[in-house]
Amino acid sequence: GDSVTQMEGPVTLSEEAFLTINCTYTATGYPSLFWYVQYPGEGLQLLLKATKADDKGSNKGFEATYRKETTSFHLEKGSVQVSDSAVYFCALTPNQAGTALIFGKGTTLSVSS
Amino acid sequence: KAGVTQTPRYLIKTRGQQVTLSCSPISGHRSVSWYQQTPGQGLQFLFEYFSETQRNKGNFPGRFSGRQFSNSRSEMNVSTLELGDSALYLCASSLESPNYGYTFGSGTRLTVV
Repeated sequence: GDSVTQMEGPVTLSEEAFLTINCTYTATGYPSLFWYVQYPGEGLQLLLKATKADDKGSNKGFEATYRKETTSFHLEKGSVQVSDSAVYFCALTPNQAGTALIFGKGTTLSVSS
Repeated sequence: KAGVTQTPRYLIKTRGQQVTLSCSPISGHRSVSWYQQTPGQGLQFLFEYFSETQRNKGNFPGRFSGRQFSNSRSEMNVSTLELGDSALYLCASSLESPNYGYTFGSGTRLTVV
C-alpha cells in the first residue's frame, strides 16, 4: 500500500542554519504531497503542498519540490529560526475523494539561538 | 474565517466508559476526517465523512464510530474505553477534493485511567 518515509530525528540546528528534512513516498498513481507542522500542544498546520510532478510548494521560507522520478518531497529552508522548532510531517493522499492522508512518522526539529 | 473547532480540548475517562468527541469544520467544508495520534503509532486514520455518509474507514475496532450531521459537524464515539485509547484525536476538514489539503483542529487529548 501507499506509504511515506521520513528521516529520523531529532534534527538539531543553530539559528540561521540550512534545513533539509528528507521525505520519500510509495504510491500508485499520482498522489498529492503535503508537509504539515505541529507545535507543542497543537494540532497540525498545513505548511505547503504540491499536487503534481515538478510542482514546488512554498510557504514561510520553506520549500519542497514534488520529484516523481525519485519519489521524493524533501523539505528545505535556507535559514531556520528558533520559532521553527516543531515536529514536521510529510504526508500524501491518493487524490481520490474520501481517501485518507497517509503520514510519515514525523521529524522533530530543534533550533537553538 | 473560523478554523476547525474541536471540543473538548482535554478529557479524562475511566476504563470501560464511553466518550463522544465533537468537531465543527470550516464553513463550506463538507468532508470531515478523524485521526488518532499516539507516540507509538503516529498518526492513524479513523474515518472520513462527506455529506453525512462515511466514505472511508481505517483499521480500528468497531468500538470506534462516528457520524456527521447535515450542517457538516461531526462526532466520534469510543465505547468501552481501554487504556490504549489514550491519544490525541484530531479532526480535519476539507473541500471535496483532497487536492486542497486538510485543515486540522487543535485536537482532543483523551486520557483513559
